[in-house]
Amino acid sequence: NAGVMQNPRHLVRRRGQEARLRCSPMKGHSHVYWYRQLPEEGLKFMVYLQKENIIDESGMPKERFSAEFPKEGPSILRIQQVVRGDSAAYFCASSPGLEQYFGPGTRLTVT
Amino acid sequence: QQQVKQSPQSLIVQKGGISIINCAYENTAFDYFPWYQQFPGKGPALLIAIRPDVSEKKEGRFTISFNKSAKQFSLHIMDSQPGDSATYFCAASKTAGNKLTFGGGTRVLVKP
Repeated sequence: NAGVMQNPRHLVRRRGQEARLRCSPMKGHSHVYWYRQLPEEGLKFMVYLQKENIIDESGMPKERFSAEFPKEGPSILRIQQVVRGDSAAYFCASSPGLEQYFGPGTRLTVT
Repeated sequence: QQQVKQSPQSLIVQKGGISIINCAYENTAFDYFPWYQQFPGKGPALLIAIRPDVSEKKEGRFTISFNKSAKQFSLHIMDSQPGDSATYFCAASKTAGNKLTFGGGTRVLVKP
């Protein structure tokens, strides 16, 4: 059973561009979470989704950030008009209901 | 407001020694407490987890101790090995399947 997959692993964007981060959960997992980790810091919750539904987006910045988990395909975290402060590692985790299993992350660098 | 406080920030231990990491939480609604291990450039890996109805849980060399009245829990790594050198995060969530609130992390270095 493959683990949580994230791509790309590294992403470089110029200020003002859009970043799209993808997450494929483990087989059989219907819950997806996105977390952000700034350098030398802990992980901060962003959003919790189930298929076609956003359950909790209390950690998402109000502007420029959006997430989806369509019926078919991976979950997508989208950051519009990126700024330098968006540079971080973005992790998704999938869960069958309790334990959360993390992917390898996407490291976003905004130049 | 930091809801999960973790200490120490860093820890150096000799091979064969015991590593102890402590966490304290504020929200009494938390009822699931996992620990994660993270190596540089990798995602966090679930190590061990505990619920409040249990005071201690052991898996191999890793033990969680839980003190509900003090709102504290700790991770003990027995017989620490150089391969245990990593950053460890405690976390807490309110209900099963809900968002995790993480501590700030502890960087552990095990010297051979």
